Parts: sequence; structure tokens; C-alpha cells
Amino acid sequence: GAGVSQSPRYKVAKRGQDVALRCDPISGHVSLFWYQQALGQGPEFLTYFQNEAQLDKSGLPSDRFFAERPEGSVSTLKIQRTQQEDSAVYLCASSLGQVQPQHFGDGTRLSIL
Amino acid sequence: DAKTTQPNSMESNEEEPVHLPCNHSTISGTDYIHWYRQLPSQGPEYVIHGLTSNVNNRMASLAIAEDRKSSTLILHRATLRDAAVYYCILRRDSGNTGKLIFGQGTTLQVKP
Repeated sequence: GAGVSQSPRYKVAKRGQDVALRCDPISGHVSLFWYQQALGQGPEFLTYFQNEAQLDKSGLPSDRFFAERPEGSVSTLKIQRTQQEDSAVYLCASSLGQVQPQHFGDGTRLSIL
Repeated sequence: DAKTTQPNSMESNEEEPVHLPCNHSTISGTDYIHWYRQLPSQGPEYVIHGLTSNVNNRMASLAIAEDRKSSTLILHRATLRDAAVYYCILRRDSGNTGKLIFGQGTTLQVKP
């Protein structure tokens, strides 16, 4: 299908390691969002891209979190020096424009040991 | 951002209609009402949205109160596949990055 694709589906890392999570949005979608979802909670906004420009990073919890979308398509969320509290599902969503309905991937479940 | 209030959980029988309520008493004139749902182990899925008038699509109907302080998502015939967490979200479509602010949502159980 032509939905939002995220990889890996599951990631286990040791505390202190760096991780990189990938998002392939729907082709042609200008807007791309990252969300973090803790167990039993609703997703929380992390950051927003319009094409390659990161227009809102107000939700990133610390400077260990970094996101990029260099060519306005694929995006990578990087977490440096991971901590146990980073364990969550990381969701990516894309949309035709910032006010259009968002299409979500199935997320990457990150577990920090 | 204006806040929404939803019941934590609801139950329904298969093939019966389901009415999922949402209160948003602090809604502003430019806030759209959006509904998303999240099936187990999947990302959220867009259901429907509206501003003032009632809306229908292939998935559901959205009934919006005249004063816009509440709304109801209506599933006309619940199926087992409709068991999910349903999120009611307000989103301003100007001066906003378009981010969605999710609450706890309503967990819908559908009994066969």
C-alpha cells in the first residue's frame, strides 16, 4: 500500500546508546509530524516539518532528541544517549497540508533496557 | 489550546449504533472538531471532522451542538473492528502548525 511506513517496527537499545527511527511519508505529502506515545496514553506532539523546514520543535523533550527531513521526503528521528524514560511508541504522520487530515504509520516501539 | 472531555470507556453490542460524546466548553470560533481512532497496535486513523454543521462520511457521522460546546461521534452499526480508542481533538486551522493534541480518549469495547 501507499501509506506511511516506519522502520524499524521494534527497537531495543541499551541505556546510553543512540537510536535512529525512520519515517517514509506518503508521496507528495508536504507536512510531516512526529509524536511520542507512552503506554496507556494518547500520542504527544514532538515536531513538525513543512517540506524540509522544521517549523515547530516545541514538543521535543530534550536536546537529546533531533529530527531531520533533508530532502523534504523521508524523515529521521534521532535520540542520543537514550534513557529509560525514552521507552515509548514513536509515531510519524504525514498530510497534504498542515490543516489536512493526518495519515499515521504504525509506529516504532522503542524499548530502552 | 481548548480542552476536550470524553468518558474513559464505553461498551456497545455488535450491529447496534454507538454514540461517543465529547465536551469542549472552551471551544473558540475557529476551532475545528476532529475525531481520530486508534486500533490496537496501530497508529491513529482519521475518522471525521467538522466546524458547525453535522457531517457524514462512509465511516461515521458527527453531530455538533448548536452552541458547539459538545459533539457526538455516531457509528451507525458497530462491528468488532470498531473496537478502538476514539480521540476527540480541537484544532485551530490558522496560526497553527496543524499539530494534534490528543487526550486520553474513549476506549470502545464492542461485544458480539
